[in-house]
Amino acid sequence: RKEVEQDPGPFNVPEGATVAFNCTYSNSASQSFFWYRQDCRKEPKLLMSVYSSGNEDGRFTAQLNRASQYISLLIRDSKLSDSATYLCAVNDYGGSQGNLIFGKGTKLSVKP
Amino acid sequence: NAGVTQTPKFQVLKTGQSMTLQCAQDMNHEYMSWYRQDPGMGLRLIHYSVGAGITDQGEVPNGYNVSRSTTEDFPLRLLSAAPSQTSVYFCASSTTPNRLFINEQFFGPGTRLTVL
Repeated sequence: RKEVEQDPGPFNVPEGATVAFNCTYSNSASQSFFWYRQDCRKEPKLLMSVYSSGNEDGRFTAQLNRASQYISLLIRDSKLSDSATYLCAVNDYGGSQGNLIFGKGTKLSVKP
Repeated sequence: NAGVTQTPKFQVLKTGQSMTLQCAQDMNHEYMSWYRQDPGMGLRLIHYSVGAGITDQGEVPNGYNVSRSTTEDFPLRLLSAAPSQTSVYFCASSTTPNRLFINEQFFGPGTRLTVL
């Protein structure tokens, strides 16, 4: 099975801190990459797609490193409301038709 | 748009019972999928469909059946419930992927199933 690995955390950070998560993937042919956010007992919701050139959305920056096969998520100026589990997802190229493989998630807890 | 809807939100079954988890989307998405989420295991794909009349197995299909008679609906059937099927079930949909790229998947709110 093609793998997507994340550090489960928890990452406990103070408000205002900068925190970064990495996610490694095993399928070098994968082309689609995403970060999802999942609040406790809720469904995953898309946070960002990850593009080859990297992309930024406010306090959030996503990067793709194809050579080392990982994606990263940087959160600047952390807010209490950022507390959640962050899932990375990578398409299963060559396997089932474009299905996503999800990492197990990284839990972030932002403290006052 | 309601997006992706799932019913019921909660369900308790006894071992051996059967039931159907309902999933519907109103975004005219061709691709729909079912995942289960267990502590420490992440989201695992059960079955998926790339269009009406087409279904295929994911990573953990045993004990589950699906059908796709319309674009909107993708029900998941538990044939004979077992305690190992206690989990949170999410349905998701997206526009049609190809082998290279897949678009954002939209998730339903989930069904929490307990099998006693």
